[in-house]
Amino acid sequence: QVQLVESGGGVVQPGGSLRLSCAASGFTFSSYGMHWVRQAPGKGLEWVAFIRYDGSNKYYAESVKGRFTISRDKSKNTLYLQMNSLRAEDTAVYYCAKDLWQLTDWGQGTLVTVSS
Amino acid sequence: QSALTQPRSVSGSPGQSVTISCTGTSSDVGTYNYVSWYQHHPGKAPKFMIYDVSKRPSGVPDRFSGSKSGNTASLTISGLQAEDEADYYCCSYAGSYTWVFGGGTKLTVL
Repeated sequence: QVQLVESGGGVVQPGGSLRLSCAASGFTFSSYGMHWVRQAPGKGLEWVAFIRYDGSNKYYAESVKGRFTISRDKSKNTLYLQMNSLRAEDTAVYYCAKDLWQLTDWGQGTLVTVSS
Repeated sequence: QSALTQPRSVSGSPGQSVTISCTGTSSDVGTYNYVSWYQHHPGKAPKFMIYDVSKRPSGVPDRFSGSKSGNTASLTISGLQAEDEADYYCCSYAGSYTWVFGGGTKLTVL
């Protein structure tokens, strides 16, 4: 069955960087688009970024554009989110999710806390 | 991109039906039929419940149904059960490979 496992979260100071990973299994990773979605404490879900199945195109929410970079490695079946210039408002649980028009499978999330 | 508008909370007794609305704009819900719904129990992975406005993935009970009229999509849960208590989120494609979620609705089964 589909399994998505996020890792890489932690505590980072404002202005710092962090790279999240999402290990995928149970499906042909190179055939599916992938998303990152986040949930700040006490808030709703927020779409963050999407990468096409072949990595050819990447798309971002305005709130993270220019600071976050989504990427994928088909040899490792892994999705990444490089987060730079982190702000307090980036504090959230970050989920990776599979597919294109709808997010059919989700990981359990990894917590990122931006605090001094 | 502003979040889609959902009621903060809804409630119903076991066996009853509830409907959760999701209001967007002509740039998202009103234009695209890529509206999906997710059930989220805190601390767990969100679960995919409805896609393309009204289609149910395999394994989702037919008590869950979706619809859309204009800029507003709706999720109806009939025959409420205790395990339906969760947060529910709508999501719409918003063009140019961007997506927008609703603010979430907390469903309480009384």
